[in-house]
Amino acid sequence: NAGVTQTPKFQVLKTGQSMTLQCAQDMNHEYMSWYRQDPGMGLRLIHYSVGAGITDQGEVPNGYNVSRSTTEDFPLRLLSAAPSQTSVYFCASSSGRFEAFFGQGTRLTVV
Amino acid sequence: AQSVTQLDSQVPVFEEAPVELRCNYSSSVSVYLFWYVQYPNQGLQLLLKYLSGSTLVKGINGFEAEFNKSQTSFHLRKPSVHISDTAEYFCAVSEGGGYQKVTFGIGTKLQVIP
Repeated sequence: NAGVTQTPKFQVLKTGQSMTLQCAQDMNHEYMSWYRQDPGMGLRLIHYSVGAGITDQGEVPNGYNVSRSTTEDFPLRLLSAAPSQTSVYFCASSSGRFEAFFGQGTRLTVV
Repeated sequence: AQSVTQLDSQVPVFEEAPVELRCNYSSSVSVYLFWYVQYPNQGLQLLLKYLSGSTLVKGINGFEAEFNKSQTSFHLRKPSVHISDTAEYFCAVSEGGGYQKVTFGIGTKLQVIP
């Protein structure tokens, strides 16, 4: 009963590097989202998807790309990492009943 | 646009004492309301939710919340806290109709003192 799985758990990047944060869910949920969590700012929505092939921007999309080729996977790509992207990233999935299931998070540091 | 205000960033409380974590929301339409809990180095998990019906909602771990439409509030309460309740609590709101983006508050850190 895996739920939402995020990899990696920790990552250190140099400024300008690119990387992909992986997210997979095994609950057949249509909706998936990426959030970043920063101290004193709660969770802010980066991108979300309402189904395979459909994505849209959230509150803070700049510097991030997403795609949704399958129901299960929703990777988040950092195009050129910046120190301002140092954060904890959470992936979440949900069915139509609005209860979101969260992954364990990826702690990213950009130096 | 919807928004959530959590009035207290930190709440210290002695073990076995009652606690209330405050949440106010702003929305021009009907809303769905949630409380999530985040234990250290963990993801968020749902404590309880209000979708419709009774305004008093009971959740896991002995928590409950009351939806007050006139005061646009959804405060979280527990009559007697335990050390294990030490965590960060997030209030969240989603406007009704189809899939809607969920807006989170900034969180309240509950510290239970032995």
